[in-house]
Amino acid sequence: AQSVTQPDIHITVSEGASLELRCNYSYGATPYLFWYVQSPGQGLQLLLKYFSGDTLVQGIKGFEAEFKRSQSSFNLRKPSVHWSDAAEYFCAVGDTGNMLTFGGGTRLMVKP
Amino acid sequence: KAGVTQTPRYLIKTRGQQVTLSCSPISGHRSVSWYQQTPGQGLQFLFEYFSETQRNKGNFPGRFSGRQFSNSRSEMNVSTLELGDSALYLCASSFRDMNTEAFFGQGTRLTVV
Repeated sequence: AQSVTQPDIHITVSEGASLELRCNYSYGATPYLFWYVQSPGQGLQLLLKYFSGDTLVQGIKGFEAEFKRSQSSFNLRKPSVHWSDAAEYFCAVGDTGNMLTFGGGTRLMVKP
Repeated sequence: KAGVTQTPRYLIKTRGQQVTLSCSPISGHRSVSWYQQTPGQGLQFLFEYFSETQRNKGNFPGRFSGRQFSNSRSEMNVSTLELGDSALYLCASSFRDMNTEAFFGQGTRLTVV
């Protein structure tokens, strides 16, 4: 069965600093990979997705992620964090149909 | 175009009762998935409906059920509510398959007392 691990439960960065959120997955075939963001009390918003092709994926809000098959990783990055980026971030792997398996999430706090 | 609409947004029920949650997908989307989000278990897949048929099912007891109507609107039902069913229930709609984006609603916050 597929699984997703986000090793960091909480991360705090200063505004303007760079950010990297880690995601490791376990999946038998070529995975569909996603990063979602959730603000308190809200639903999930898709930041970016990887299906195939270029392993560096650009998303919304200045985020990017790199798929590394050899490391089973799909880490999310942003060069300069804004206070509005404070939220919870979820990595997910997609399976047949539209079933997503999510990681436990990483809560990002941004210091002024 | 309008997003995914979930109703109600908040619900308080008593143990043993049953509850029905509703999800209206984006117009033209035929797939509706449901997820349960709790602090302890995180986001867990409940089931997915596509063209009125359940296509995938997660590992939840039979008290959790759902259906999809011909207009793609979906409902999920939880019978004999338990305290542990308190959660944020999220609905996601997509056009067809995984290679199309899934759009999430804002969720229904269910509290069982």
